[in-house]
Amino acid sequence: EAGVVQSPRYKIIEKKQPVAFWCNPISGHNTLYWYLQNLGQGPELLIRYENEEAVDDSQLPKDRFSAERLKGVDSTLKIQPAELGDSAVYLCASSLEGQWSDEQFFGPGTRLTVL
Amino acid sequence: GIQVEQSPPDLILQEGANSTLRCNFSDSVNNLQWFHQNPWGQLINLFYIPSGTKQNGRLSATTVATERYSLLYISSSQTTDSGVYFCAVERNQGAQKLVFGQGTRLTINP
Repeated sequence: EAGVVQSPRYKIIEKKQPVAFWCNPISGHNTLYWYLQNLGQGPELLIRYENEEAVDDSQLPKDRFSAERLKGVDSTLKIQPAELGDSAVYLCASSLEGQWSDEQFFGPGTRLTVL
Repeated sequence: GIQVEQSPPDLILQEGANSTLRCNFSDSVNNLQWFHQNPWGQLINLFYIPSGTKQNGRLSATTVATERYSLLYISSSQTTDSGVYFCAVERNQGAQKLVFGQGTRLTINP
């Protein structure tokens, strides 16, 4: 079974430029998450989708960040414009919300460097 | 929100040694996961263990939900065990999201 796929793995951009990250969850997983991981810290949730609906985006900086999950499968996270402080690893995770388990599985992440 | 504390923050051991990593949390949880983040940044699922005890090879974990802590045991450590170990929990009520601890950085020397 394929895991969570993310691309690109690495991205270097100059400040004020736009950037987008893509995520393909595990097949059949209805819930998708985007997390932000700063150096030396644990991941923190940015947004959670149940199918196509963003059910928790309270931690997403909406002035510059946006996300979408069309058709309830793949998802894209966008930053426009990027700032120096956005340099971090962006992780996508998915889970099959059900009665017995809501275990989350993570992709390899996209490491963003803003110059 | 829920607080997650991991200890120790750093652990340096020789190959073959055993170790115990601890995770304390401040509220009732319905999800607790242990992850190993390897040097390439990939978070690898070790255990899904909101309660009870599980074992997988040299690794085992125990969660005592009533006392709000979990332990991860690593026996006969290998250099490939090096990396950061994260505990993450999801509260029983409220926002359905994993809240991560700060991690334990484990270094296994040959």
